[in-house]
Amino acid sequence: GAVVSQHPSRVICKSGTSVKIECRSLDFQATTMFWYRQFPKQSLMLMATSNEGSKATYEQGVEKDKFLINHASLTLSTLTVTSAHPEDSSFYICSASGLAGAIYNEQFFGPGTRLTVL
Amino acid sequence: RKEVEQDPGPFNVPEGATVAFNCTYSNSASQSFFWYRQDCRKEPKLLMSVYSSGNEDGRFTAQLNRASQYISLLIRDSKLSDSATYLCVVNPRSNQFYFGTGTSLTVIP
Repeated sequence: GAVVSQHPSRVICKSGTSVKIECRSLDFQATTMFWYRQFPKQSLMLMATSNEGSKATYEQGVEKDKFLINHASLTLSTLTVTSAHPEDSSFYICSASGLAGAIYNEQFFGPGTRLTVL
Repeated sequence: RKEVEQDPGPFNVPEGATVAFNCTYSNSASQSFFWYRQDCRKEPKLLMSVYSSGNEDGRFTAQLNRASQYISLLIRDSKLSDSATYLCVVNPRSNQFYFGTGTSLTVIP
């Protein structure tokens, strides 16, 4: 099956710093990658959709200048949380789709990154 | 109206019970539907895709009702290991996915 990795798995940072999260599709080329955020006991909320080589499409209410997304290749997308604040503490999960032969646009999820901003 | 709605539960059922979850969606043009399972503090994992004709995988059966715009997941002979949150996902158009809030299931010994 398709494998998606995320790095780091956990990060703790001080308020005001920037944090970069990487999402990689290890054994397939992902035409589209998605970034989600999940607060405790809540559902995943889509933050943005990115296609390789083009600008990300952000969901309503998500600040594109705060959550910078770069999708430079078919196997790598990065999310940078700029000037992080405690309210940005959350579980960030990426997913990738576009695997050749996948049925019905299946998404493959990374293991998530738990961000804690002090 | 939300794109996808699910009963959050929780559903607490004894081992061996049969339990069913429903999920309604608002976009009648949606083509792809999925059920994902998410364990606590883990990423979602695909449980089943939902086909128009319905599909079964062991103890799990997924159904799609386009007329009423809902999908369902039936779990028979529940096991303790089935305890998780079950998310329905609707793909109304290319590169757009909407998740339900998830239904929490706890199977009790």
